[in-house]
Amino acid sequence: LAKTTQPISMDSYEGQEVNITCSHNNIATNDYITWYQQFPSQGPRFIIQGYKTKVTNEVASLFIPADRKSSTLSLPRVSLSDTAVYYCLVGIRDDKIIFGKGTRLHILP
Amino acid sequence: GAGVSQSPSNKVTEKGKDVELRCDPISGHTALYWYRQSLGQGLEFLIYFQGNSAPDKSGLPSDRFSAERTGGSVSTLTIQRTQQEDSAVYLCASSLVVWGKEGNQPQHFGDGTRLSIL
Repeated sequence: LAKTTQPISMDSYEGQEVNITCSHNNIATNDYITWYQQFPSQGPRFIIQGYKTKVTNEVASLFIPADRKSSTLSLPRVSLSDTAVYYCLVGIRDDKIIFGKGTRLHILP
Repeated sequence: GAGVSQSPSNKVTEKGKDVELRCDPISGHTALYWYRQSLGQGLEFLIYFQGNSAPDKSGLPSDRFSAERTGGSVSTLTIQRTQQEDSAVYLCASSLVVWGKEGNQPQHFGDGTRLSIL
């Protein structure tokens, strides 16, 4: 199964750049890496997806090294509203989808 | 456009009763997924459908759980003879397809059904 490992929690301050790294050592050749954000009492929300190198959209950047065994979600200039749980997801194995435990990001004023 | 809709948003029932949870995916999305999330925990995958077909039902926690999808749209997750450990938020998601030319497709989630078993 495509297992992922992320830090359990992180703290940062408003205005800082936050980087959350996810390890996925057994990523398969055709797997894409997807990140989701979840607020309390809501379903997860898609943030960004990538295959290799760097992907950027209006809310985040995703950095993927050449070996693709990890990925880093970068949130520029975070605000209090970025406090949430962030999940990385890699592929489907044996018709099952494994979300990791996620990273609980806490932004301080 | 409308997102993924789940009903009811909250359900409280007595132990031993049957419950049925409903998911309306985004129009045109052929893939549909069910997850369970216990308080403060991550997402536990239950099952996915591509069209009306579920390739693997082994993610369902027990034989009291069943899921179906008809007409390639609405799905229902049924829990028979509910137990207290079934209390959780049940999340549904949909995507255009499960696997496209860009690999695993991004999923769009509903806000879940919060199930409480007394």
